[in-house]
Amino acid sequence: SQKIEQNSEALNIQEGKTATLTCNYTNYSPAYLQWYRQDPGRGPVFLLLIRENEKEKRKERLKVTFDTTLKQSLFHITASQPADSATYLCALEEGDNFNKFYFGSGTKLNVKP
Amino acid sequence: EAQVTQNPRYLITVTGKKLTVTCSQNMNHEYMSWYRQDPGLGLRQIYYSMNVEVTDKGDVPEGYKVSRKEKRNFPLILESPSPNQTSLYFCASSGRVQETQYFGPGTRLLVL
Repeated sequence: SQKIEQNSEALNIQEGKTATLTCNYTNYSPAYLQWYRQDPGRGPVFLLLIRENEKEKRKERLKVTFDTTLKQSLFHITASQPADSATYLCALEEGDNFNKFYFGSGTKLNVKP
Repeated sequence: EAQVTQNPRYLITVTGKKLTVTCSQNMNHEYMSWYRQDPGLGLRQIYYSMNVEVTDKGDVPEGYKVSRKEKRNFPLILESPSPNQTSLYFCASSGRVQETQYFGPGTRLLVL
């Protein structure tokens, strides 16, 4: 089955810096990959989706890259703010089995003022 | 307001006592899923449904049942709960393939 790895250790950065989170996957080449934000005790909230034919996607201060050769996606938050502190999850859908999803365990981001 | 609702939000029960967690969405979405979230393991898909009367197993279906008799509802059934099913459960829905999933607020279940 698919395996997705995200840095399990928390990422601590200073306000105003760029946060970079990594998502690596094995066994399968997904058609697209999603990133979600999750706050404690709440459901994940969708942020960005990037397809296999897209190298980069941007939305305001967020940027996602997708390298199908490395089987890796990078998620960047520029000019980070304390309000960006949360856990960020990556997810992919099994290509032959629509709506069968695999999530990473998430990386906790702490942005210090 | 577009949303996914789950009930109950919190539940404490005992081993073997059947329970149902309800999930409802008001967005006319075709796809719905159930996940459980455990520390260090992330979100794992239990079951998913592509439409009414069409369901399939996710990664961790053992000990769970689902049904999809109406498009808006997708209940999760634990026929004989065990302590290892203590977890945080999320329902989610999406409109089409390759679209975002909308998650419910979660149901925290404790099985004694």
